[in-house]
Amino acid sequence: DAGITQSPRHKVTETGTPVTLRCHQTENHRYMYWYRQDPGHGLRLIHYSYGVKDTDKGEVSDGYSVSRSKTEDFLLTLESATSSQTSVYFCAISPDRAKQFFGPGTRLTVL
Amino acid sequence: EDQVTQSPEALRLQEGESSSLNCSYTVSGLRGLFWYRQDPGKGPEFLFTLYSAGEEKEKERLKATLTKKESFLHITAPKPEDSATYLCAVQDDYKLSFGAGTTVTVRA
Repeated sequence: DAGITQSPRHKVTETGTPVTLRCHQTENHRYMYWYRQDPGHGLRLIHYSYGVKDTDKGEVSDGYSVSRSKTEDFLLTLESATSSQTSVYFCAISPDRAKQFFGPGTRLTVL
Repeated sequence: EDQVTQSPEALRLQEGESSSLNCSYTVSGLRGLFWYRQDPGKGPEFLFTLYSAGEEKEKERLKATLTKKESFLHITAPKPEDSATYLCAVQDDYKLSFGAGTTVTVRA
C-alpha cells in the first residue's frame, strides 16, 4: 500500500465548530487531493495541491480550506462545520497527476 | 463538464457467473480512464489505467477494455472475494472525475 495515513479516522463534532483533518504521506509525491464520498455521488474533489503552498479548488470547495506547508502533509479545514459536511473524506496522492493512491478515509459526523 | 456514468448500480452474481460492468463517459480530452476497487470502509484501490481506444488490461479475473465512449470491466468466473464496489474515473488535465460505482456481490 502507498504510504498514506489520515487522522483522525473517525470524528463526531457539533455544528459550528472548526474541524481539521490531516493527510500524511511518506512517498514524496508532488500532488495531493482531498475528496468527499457520499452515497449516490461518488467521489468529489474538494481541493488539491500541486506543491508546497500551491493549492487550488475542486468542484465542491465551499466551506473548506486547505494548507500544505510540507511535502508530506496536506490539511483540510472545515471552518464552521455543518450537517451537510457529514461524509467520508479521502486523501489521495499522485506522482504525476494521473494514477492516484488513496488513504483509508476519515468518517466525519456533524451533529 | 466531464460526466461519468456507471451501470448497473448493483450486480449480484453466482460464483463462476461471468459478467461485465459498464462505464460511459463524456470528456473534452481524455488523458486516461481508471478503474478502482473499493471494499467497505476502505479507500479505493487502483486496478487499471487505459489511455486509448482498443486498449485492454488484465489482472487475475478482471479485464478492462476501452472504446471512444465507454469502458467495460469484465469479471470472468468471479469468486466471493471479488465482491466490492468498482469505480471508474476519467482524467481531464489535473483531476479525476468519478462515477458513482457498481457494487458487485458474488455468492458462493
